[in-house]
Amino acid sequence: DTEVTQTPKHLVMGMTNKKSLKCEQHMGHRAMYWYKQKAKKPPELMFVYSYEKLSINESVPSRFSPECPNSSLLNLHLHALQPEDSALYLCASSQRLVDTQYFGPGTRLTVL
Amino acid sequence: AQTVTQSQPEMSVQEAETVTLSCTYDTSENNYYLFWYKQPPSRQMILVIRQEAYKQQNATENRFSVNFQKAAKSFSLKISDSQLGDTAMYFCAFMKPDYGQNFVFGPGTRLSVLP
Repeated sequence: DTEVTQTPKHLVMGMTNKKSLKCEQHMGHRAMYWYKQKAKKPPELMFVYSYEKLSINESVPSRFSPECPNSSLLNLHLHALQPEDSALYLCASSQRLVDTQYFGPGTRLTVL
Repeated sequence: AQTVTQSQPEMSVQEAETVTLSCTYDTSENNYYLFWYKQPPSRQMILVIRQEAYKQQNATENRFSVNFQKAAKSFSLKISDSQLGDTAMYFCAFMKPDYGQNFVFGPGTRLSVLP
């Protein structure tokens, strides 16, 4: 089973809201990733969790906060977002950092 | 930093014909991996094919094959017997096997398969 699930599929939030995106995999993968994808653009890597260690793309603003409660679950907490943060947020996982990444279907986020 | 270039923003091909998508990359690394991912209109990103740089043999996966030219830093994807379901955005990607921000996508090529 090469499935990565993401919830919710769609999310609309105001700039003062706090929300979370959820990503889950049951493939025993030890690396998980968050990407942001704007329309007609490639995904951009935001965060990487591997063996409980977090790596951050330094260009990602602090209003995005990842959390990895366990090796199969990855959350992305959102707070005080801006309209330009509206995008498709993709989660992926891989067995190890050097292995193929499997992507979830994404969460379409709209910030009003 | 590594960069990935796809010089063809859009392409089209007739059903059952063959099409080649181009990808070039820039790196000083010797050990790395290259990928082609496909993103249909439904938006789920799907792995098409993967190539390890240390392998001279070109990867093949059913109707999909690559032409990997390490010295030229070129990694093209050939799709044979194109099918309507191949219509998608195709991303070439580079990965350095190291911890951290090591996965870079190209800008993508939008492929339309015409009936």
